[in-house]
Amino acid sequence: DAKTTQPPSMDCAEGRAANLPCNHSTISGNEYVYWYRQIHSQGPQYIIHGLKNNETNEMASLIITEDRKSSTLILPHATLRDTAVYYCIVRAEYGNKLVFGAGTILRVKS
Amino acid sequence: SAVISQKPSRDICQRGTSLTIQCQVDSQVTMMFWYRQQPGQSLTLIATANQGSEATYESGFVIDKFPISRPNLTFSTLTVSNMSPEDSSIYLCSASDRVYEQYFGPGTRLTVT
Repeated sequence: DAKTTQPPSMDCAEGRAANLPCNHSTISGNEYVYWYRQIHSQGPQYIIHGLKNNETNEMASLIITEDRKSSTLILPHATLRDTAVYYCIVRAEYGNKLVFGAGTILRVKS
Repeated sequence: SAVISQKPSRDICQRGTSLTIQCQVDSQVTMMFWYRQQPGQSLTLIATANQGSEATYESGFVIDKFPISRPNLTFSTLTVSNMSPEDSSIYLCSASDRVYEQYFGPGTRLTVT
């Protein structure tokens, strides 16, 4: 699976959009970009995934560049409960193991 | 989504003893995994629990230290054997199938004294 690079930490004001970047320059054609988050003292939670088109669900939006070498997770209106470690992971779709990097600590502040 | 429970939620164990952690999923799933999260660190995959056959271990993890069972499509156990303080971690179970994404249990917080 391709490796990913994320900033170690970010701050965001409550109510504003949180934009979390991820670089995955060695991604291959059949690999998807997945995002998970881990709120303190909980197991990781699936957020969203995509191949090459932008994706949106009730939690977030995922913007993938045309060359697929980077992506951005967008939380449109961050709340204090969105404070967590966010992991960007590249892997083939379904069933395969997840390889977690260090992630980005997102701190949402009032 | 699949709901995953783990027992125990936490335990304090003495050096040299073993602890078995149970993972129960509320629906049948194709794949189950065990992860370790050391204090302040990210998650590391220990092994894939295969139903009806031996688990597939990642580099650095061996069956003698972390024996795993998976008797059916909803249940798995991880044993941490001959524990040392370095085994103090959170152990997480996860599950996925062709429909669901990978879902995680709440974790078992293990402290070895």
